Amino acid sequence: QSALTQPPSASGSPGQSVTISCTGTSSDVGGYNYVSWYQQHPGKAPKLMIYEVSKRPSGVPDRFSGSKSGNTASLTVSGLQAEDEADYYCSSYAGSVVVFGGGTKLTVL
Amino acid sequence: EVQLVESGGVVVQPGGSLRLSCAASGFTFDDYAMHWVRQAPGKGLEWVSLISWDGGSTYYADSVKGRFTISRDNSKNSLYLQMNSLRAEDTALYYCAKDIREAAAGTPYFDYWGQGTLVTVSS
Repeated sequence: QSALTQPPSASGSPGQSVTISCTGTSSDVGGYNYVSWYQQHPGKAPKLMIYEVSKRPSGVPDRFSGSKSGNTASLTVSGLQAEDEADYYCSSYAGSVVVFGGGTKLTVL
Repeated sequence: EVQLVESGGVVVQPGGSLRLSCAASGFTFDDYAMHWVRQAPGKGLEWVSLISWDGGSTYYADSVKGRFTISRDNSKNSLYLQMNSLRAEDTALYYCAKDIREAAAGTPYFDYWGQGTLVTVSS
């Protein structure tokens, strides 16, 4: 049950787009279309932003989108806004367990 | 409004035991699988355990298997985590989280989270 690999940090200016990657293996990300992304602001509980690779829960802006290719999933945030500054975690089903990435701190410059 | 309120977190010595509780409201509790997810101070998220809507199926991360037991009481809208043989590396904020899908054995998606309860394992 190894953690998925995310870059520790990402950044962009307001209005720009940023993509965060999440790399796993054929036993997790590559083996199932069960990837999700969570946003966590400091001192707050995580919030589900994307599930089943690319679906958005009700209330999540369409500026957030997800995709997957092989063993790597990606979260793209378009039209960056100040409130998007947060930690982002990917997760994947891995055969009866769930694994998370180490998290990426997104900074809006 | 969905609410999940965790309790039971305290300072406990290595090798000790603890039971966490999560009180749920605002949704039909016995229609949904439930999860525990933890976060060590300053660290990332780690999935801990899943229990199906009826309690008939349970799953655990390798790091806690054999030491932790998840359970639920649907008559009390409550979720529990019995933690035994605690180690320093179990120190974390423990979140109770609701599964996204109704009437499913469990999915890897958590659409509502509590605010967490802090467990500190230290002598």
